[in-house]
Amino acid sequence: EAGVTQSPTHLIKTRGQQATLRCSPISGHTSVYWYQQALGLGLQFLLWYDEGEERNRGNFPPRFSGRQFPNYSSELNVNALELEDSALYLCASSLAPTGASNQPQHFGDGTRLSIL
Amino acid sequence: AQKVTQAQTEISVVEKEDVTLDCVYETRDTTYYLFWYKQPPSGELVFLIRRNSFDEQNEISGRYSWNFQKSTSSFNFTITASQVVDSAVYFCALSNDYKLSFGAGTTVTVRA
Repeated sequence: EAGVTQSPTHLIKTRGQQATLRCSPISGHTSVYWYQQALGLGLQFLLWYDEGEERNRGNFPPRFSGRQFPNYSSELNVNALELEDSALYLCASSLAPTGASNQPQHFGDGTRLSIL
Repeated sequence: AQKVTQAQTEISVVEKEDVTLDCVYETRDTTYYLFWYKQPPSGELVFLIRRNSFDEQNEISGRYSWNFQKSTSSFNFTITASQVVDSAVYFCALSNDYKLSFGAGTTVTVRA
């Protein structure tokens, strides 16, 4: 069974540009989560999508947005990039929403976003 | 507020020693779920174990074991007979509001 896949592996952008990160969940998983892992800040929850809808978001500005497609894959868009957006962005999926069950989130390898 | 604290920043051991990682959590929920994840140098987060708040039975799975004590809000994790491949950052996580709240992580280095 294929795990969570993310693309691209690395992404280099400059300040003010826009970045799009992609995620394909494990087959059969409908919930997709996005996390940011910035140096010194740990793993921070960004967004949760389930059945095509945004269900919850973390404490991030509106320039962080995304969507979930009918096949449950997801995109994370970051507009007006700032230097502090440089981080590893991790996508996870679960069989059922975490918190409503003990279903763990399974993570992809991440996209490392570097802002120059 | 939900919070996960991993007081140990780094642990260094020699191969075959046991390693115990501490995790203390705060939550107002009566039902919650706890997890341990491993992040090797390659970067991906690997799910290791989970525990429901209403099940305090402690278990062993291979070289991994965990000690969940609701009375002290602790969920400690032990690696028995550590190996070099166990070197990684280990994260304790608490589920709430349909997301995971992670601790800061403990870096484990196992020396040959």
